[in-house]
Amino acid sequence: AQSVTQLGSHVSVSEGALVLLRCNYSSSVPPYLFWYVQYPNQGLQLLLKYTSAATLVKGINGFEAEFKKSETSFHLTKPSAHMSDAAEYFCAVSDKGGGADGLTFGKGTHLIIQP
Amino acid sequence: GAVVSQHPSRVICKSGTSVKIECRSLDFQATTMFWYRQFPKQSLMLMATSNEGSKATYEQGVEKDKFLINHASLTLSTLTVTSAHPEDSSFYICSAKKLAGANTQYFGPGTRLTVL
Repeated sequence: AQSVTQLGSHVSVSEGALVLLRCNYSSSVPPYLFWYVQYPNQGLQLLLKYTSAATLVKGINGFEAEFKKSETSFHLTKPSAHMSDAAEYFCAVSDKGGGADGLTFGKGTHLIIQP
Repeated sequence: GAVVSQHPSRVICKSGTSVKIECRSLDFQATTMFWYRQFPKQSLMLMATSNEGSKATYEQGVEKDKFLINHASLTLSTLTVTSAHPEDSSFYICSAKKLAGANTQYFGPGTRLTVL
């Protein structure tokens, strides 16, 4: 069984400050890891994904995440927060990258940007 | 691109009626589509996996007779909530995989179902 834990249901940062959203996973096999962003009343947009290639993954909108196997983590970062980054962020894991497999999501982190 | 649409975006129905939600992959073929449910301020929970031309696979605790899924073509999957009740009110989101072996899901914008 796989699971995802996102530490902090709400994270507040000032505009221009570093964004750090934490994600830890458990998986019995090498995982595929994803970060999605959800704006109010909208579906999910893929920010980035880790699929066993480079451990540092760069995504859209200036976000990146680093896969650390020893820490079973896949934290999301952005050097400088923008007001438009305010949204809900979900970390997700899949342990069957080659086949049809639904994702297991974390509970989400609501990112608040203070002006 | 990889665009997934859902129709309708919002639906309100009376208790006891059935509601059909469509999920379409607009610019790619999807052998597999997924249906998720999201309660307010909570995460997405996988309901079922839909494969084109075969029966859907439901997650534990999801009633297959209540949530009917049909994946009749490589670009369309439908979710029918039968005999809807207020507790079925939720945000239903579908996703699609481009082809077998791909491990990226592309999500639709979701359908807000309100059962009165």
